[in-house]
Amino acid sequence: QVHLVQSGAEVENPGASVKVSCQASGYTFTTYPLQWVRQAPGQGLEWMGWINAANGNTKYSQKFQGRVTITRDTSANTAYLTLSRLKSEDTAVYYCARGNDWFDPWGQGTLVIVSS
Amino acid sequence: SSELTQDPSVSVALGQTVRITCQGDTLKNSHPTWYQQKPGQAPLLVIYNKNDRPSGIPDRFSGSSSGDTASLTITGAQAEDEGDYYCNSRDTSGNQWVFGGGTKLTVL
Repeated sequence: QVHLVQSGAEVENPGASVKVSCQASGYTFTTYPLQWVRQAPGQGLEWMGWINAANGNTKYSQKFQGRVTITRDTSANTAYLTLSRLKSEDTAVYYCARGNDWFDPWGQGTLVIVSS
Repeated sequence: SSELTQDPSVSVALGQTVRITCQGDTLKNSHPTWYQQKPGQAPLLVIYNKNDRPSGIPDRFSGSSSGDTASLTITGAQAEDEGDYYCNSRDTSGNQWVFGGGTKLTVL
């Protein structure tokens, strides 16, 4: 069974960076891209970017360009989202999800709180 | 435009049929996927490839589209169908994805 397990909640100061991990199991990691989506409290879903797990190519939402980096470690079957220069508005649950044209399954989500 | 527009909320009586719509220019050339999200949970894929359902999704869920508008229809809504529903599609560039604002479904 395919599973995506994400790292635990983080509390960060404004201006800092956060790195969230997403470990995949139950399939060959390099055969599907991984997407990152976030959801601010009480708000909708917002696509952030994706990574081709086979070759590491990435594409980011223009909104986050310059602040977001998505990487992967194929030996660990893990993808990473790094968001820098954090602002209070970045407080959200961050999800990873497998897939290209549809996202399935999703990780359980990682709460990131940005607060001084 | 790369935006997808959804009604913020919809309600349906138990056992009746409800349609949740998603409108956007990008839908003229592609079919959206649909996700259900319940409070405190990750989104769950319910419709992909216009009208395919993942294993475990009841057949009361179906998808359709016409022009720039796509619909998720629940035929015989159940109490457990309450939640937020999001449509999602590639944007007009084809390289990025965009979500609709979500529709909160209430089953009365």
